[in-house]
Amino acid sequence: QITLKESGPALVKPTQTLTLTCTFSGFSLTTSGVRVGWIRQPPGKALEWLSLINWDDDKHYSPSLRSRLTITKDTSKNEVLLTMTNVDPVDTATYFCAHSYRGYWIDYWGQGTLVTVSS
Amino acid sequence: SYVLTQPPSVSLAPGQTARISCGGDNIGNKGVHWYQQKPGQAPVLVVYMDSDRPSGIPERFSGSNSGNTATLTIFRVEAGDEADYYCQVWDSSSDRVVFGGGTKLTVL
Repeated sequence: QITLKESGPALVKPTQTLTLTCTFSGFSLTTSGVRVGWIRQPPGKALEWLSLINWDDDKHYSPSLRSRLTITKDTSKNEVLLTMTNVDPVDTATYFCAHSYRGYWIDYWGQGTLVTVSS
Repeated sequence: SYVLTQPPSVSLAPGQTARISCGGDNIGNKGVHWYQQKPGQAPVLVVYMDSDRPSGIPERFSGSNSGNTATLTIFRVEAGDEADYYCQVWDSSSDRVVFGGGTKLTVL
């Protein structure tokens, strides 16, 4: 079955770079139509889409965060990495990685990882 | 940029029918997807491509989409349906995923 799990630091200082890893199983990011994306949710707030990467390495970013985000994949390790530069306390959120196939709806979600930005 | 507008909250008694709207410019021309999120949990897909249900989702969950409004309808609401609900689309003009602001469904 398909599973995804996020990992990364629980606490990051302002201005630092945050790197999150999504480790998945049950599918391959080399399969046509497969996408893996990142979504975040600040405490008590709504979902916010960040980025996604396609099986063919096509990448998409939230326009408001494009300058700070980089998404990459390592198909040999079944991992997708998201890097966010120059973090701020407003980036405090639970970060989810997620799987889509063919369309852009998310059929599988990771459990999420809480990242706190604080000095 | 494309915006999806949802009512912040909907409240109703068990057994009633909940209708949660998602407004967007010509949203009827897009595929709309709906997620249910309970506290402390990841979202769960309940409707995709306007009206299709993933396996395991009860038939009580139904979706429609036309004009400038998409709607998630939950028939015979139960206490277990109490959650936040989010609509989502792919905006092809800007190549990005867009989520609505979410609607908190309270079952009185």
